Amino acid sequence: QVTLRESGPALVKPTQTLTLTCTFSGFSLSTSGMCVSWIRQPPGKALEWLARIDWDDDKYYSTSLKTRLTISKDTSKNQVVLTMTNMDPVDTATYYCARSDVEQQLGLDYWGQGTLVTVSS
Amino acid sequence: SYELTQPPSVSVSPGQTARITCSGDALPKQYAYWYQQKPGQAPVLVIYKDSERPSGIPERFSGSSSGTTVTLTISGVQAEDEADYYCQSADSSGTYNYVFGTGTKVTVL
Repeated sequence: QVTLRESGPALVKPTQTLTLTCTFSGFSLSTSGMCVSWIRQPPGKALEWLARIDWDDDKYYSTSLKTRLTISKDTSKNQVVLTMTNMDPVDTATYYCARSDVEQQLGLDYWGQGTLVTVSS
Repeated sequence: SYELTQPPSVSVSPGQTARITCSGDALPKQYAYWYQQKPGQAPVLVIYKDSERPSGIPERFSGSSSGTTVTLTISGVQAEDEADYYCQSADSSGTYNYVFGTGTKVTVL
């Protein structure tokens, strides 16, 4: 059974750095093709893909946010961490992590329940 | 940056057919995926690789592709299908970054 769970602060101040952790089970990020992405959704708005890390440690970032994002993994802990610097109120959103398999190309087939991050002073 | 364009809303009566389009220049070269999202819930994958249906997804959900447009079709719409729907694909410019469509609200009248 595949599960993912996001964790991190519910409230951050402007200019601070956000650190989110995705803890997963039921698959391994050392398996060829496996990937974990971060996606966010501001209240009432559309989904926005942020970043992806692959089994081979390749990393991909949203073009518009790449200067602020860093994604990393700890395979032994089954965790993926996303950091976003210089947070602004417009970054208020629900942040999701999701799994994909780029070899099977099955899409983002499992998602966490999401964590709401509010940016406010 | 690469964009996928969807109609903001689609309205349909129960039992009728809803069609949601998604347009993007790279769609002839990259697979499309569709997600259903109900209020307060995480998205759920309903179509992968343009037209494949994951296990557990009702047969009334189908996908198709033609040129730069992909379409999600819901046949025999039920009240429980009222939700937001997002297409997703990848940028083929070399980055292969994922991208989501603008989203479509399906209302069952």
